[in-house]
Amino acid sequence: GENVEQHPSTLSVQEGDSAVIKCTYSDSASNYFPWYKQELGKGPQLIIDIRSNVGEKKDQRIAVTLNKTAKHFSLHITETQPEDSAVYFCAASSSPGGGADGLTFGKGTHLIIQP
Amino acid sequence: GAVVSQHPSWVICKSGTSVKIECRSLDFQATTMFWYRQFPKQSLMLMATSNEGSKATYEQGVEKDKFLINHASLTLSTLTVTSAHPEDSSFYICSATTSGRSGELFFGEGSRLTVL
Repeated sequence: GENVEQHPSTLSVQEGDSAVIKCTYSDSASNYFPWYKQELGKGPQLIIDIRSNVGEKKDQRIAVTLNKTAKHFSLHITETQPEDSAVYFCAASSSPGGGADGLTFGKGTHLIIQP
Repeated sequence: GAVVSQHPSWVICKSGTSVKIECRSLDFQATTMFWYRQFPKQSLMLMATSNEGSKATYEQGVEKDKFLINHASLTLSTLTVTSAHPEDSSFYICSATTSGRSGELFFGEGSRLTVL
């Protein structure tokens, strides 16, 4: 089955700096890669996702890049703000429809924004 | 985005009792719902997948008689923790999706279960 590795487990950056979280996956058939943000005591929220036919996707301060050859994808947050502090999870799915079935999650990255 | 509501958000119960957690998709029809368990500072562990009108598919190691899942309609799935014990204390999260290429996953807010 799919195996998703996420690094680092904890990331501390100064407010205003950029943060990068990296994930690797094992199943070359994976075709859907979402990122979730989880605040303390709440459920995860989808913040951005990318499908295997695209190499990069951007939404304001958040971007995701995908390297299918190397089987890794990364989350980039620019101009970090205190409200970006949370746990971020990457995930990968090899569902034939490219949907969310059968998602495998990374172990999460605790992002801390230092004021 | 789509909204998934989970209830209750927290519950405390005595050992031996059963607890039901509801997961509702408020503005879309969820063909599939997932139930996860999350321990402190850890990732989401998939417990089971449920499709409307059919029996849930449980992950290896998850006791189906202990964690009863019912997906009675396209907008409601329930998880019942039967004869709860302190080791069942955890954060339970549901998610819902519509199948297909645009099948994004939407999570509920989670339910904190504490068994005394």
